[in-house]
Amino acid sequence: NAGVTQTPKFQVLKTGQSMTLQCAQDMNHEYMSWYRQDPGMGLRLIHYSVGAGITDQGEVPNGYNVSRSTTEDFPLRLLSAAPSQTSVYFCASSLLAGDAYNEQFFGPGTRLTVL
Amino acid sequence: GESVGLHLPTLSVQEGDNSIINCAYSNSASDYFIWYKQESGKGPQFIIDIRSNMDKRQGQRVTVLLNKTVKHLSLQIAATQPGDSAVYFCAERRGAQKLVFGQGTRLTINP
Repeated sequence: NAGVTQTPKFQVLKTGQSMTLQCAQDMNHEYMSWYRQDPGMGLRLIHYSVGAGITDQGEVPNGYNVSRSTTEDFPLRLLSAAPSQTSVYFCASSLLAGDAYNEQFFGPGTRLTVL
Repeated sequence: GESVGLHLPTLSVQEGDNSIINCAYSNSASDYFIWYKQESGKGPQFIIDIRSNMDKRQGQRVTVLLNKTVKHLSLQIAATQPGDSAVYFCAERRGAQKLVFGQGTRLTINP
């Protein structure tokens, strides 16, 4: 299993450009999510999905769109990039089984710089 | 604000000593508390979790303590090794699998 994969690893955008960060998992996990991590800080939840066709907003959703057409993929779209979106983006996935916490597996991250 | 985020709390310990990393949480309604380890340039890696109705849980070389009275969580690492050098985050689960992360503590190991 490759686990959670993210592409690209690095990206530089100009203000106003759009792009899509890719995330895929091969563990048949129902739950997928996107976080951003700013320097010296913890991760903040952007959007999440509990299954194909179902998405919802997290703590910091403004400026980002997501869709979940398959179980495996959960792309994050920036429609009009802003310098405030400079950050490291992590995708994570997990099972949704019972009430217990199901370990979330994180991808290696995408480092995004917006000029 | 940005100035708070840039000054990550740091803990330095001697190799072989025990490490204790602390975390204050805010929401009494969180049902699970989780510790993650993040090495430089990598994504967070799960260490251990504890349900809110427990006060202690042990894993391999790690122990998590939960004090709900003062909303405090700690991670104890026994016999700290060089490979334990990383940033450690506590997180609260709030509904489904949504996590709210703390700021993190950087653990450095002195030889």
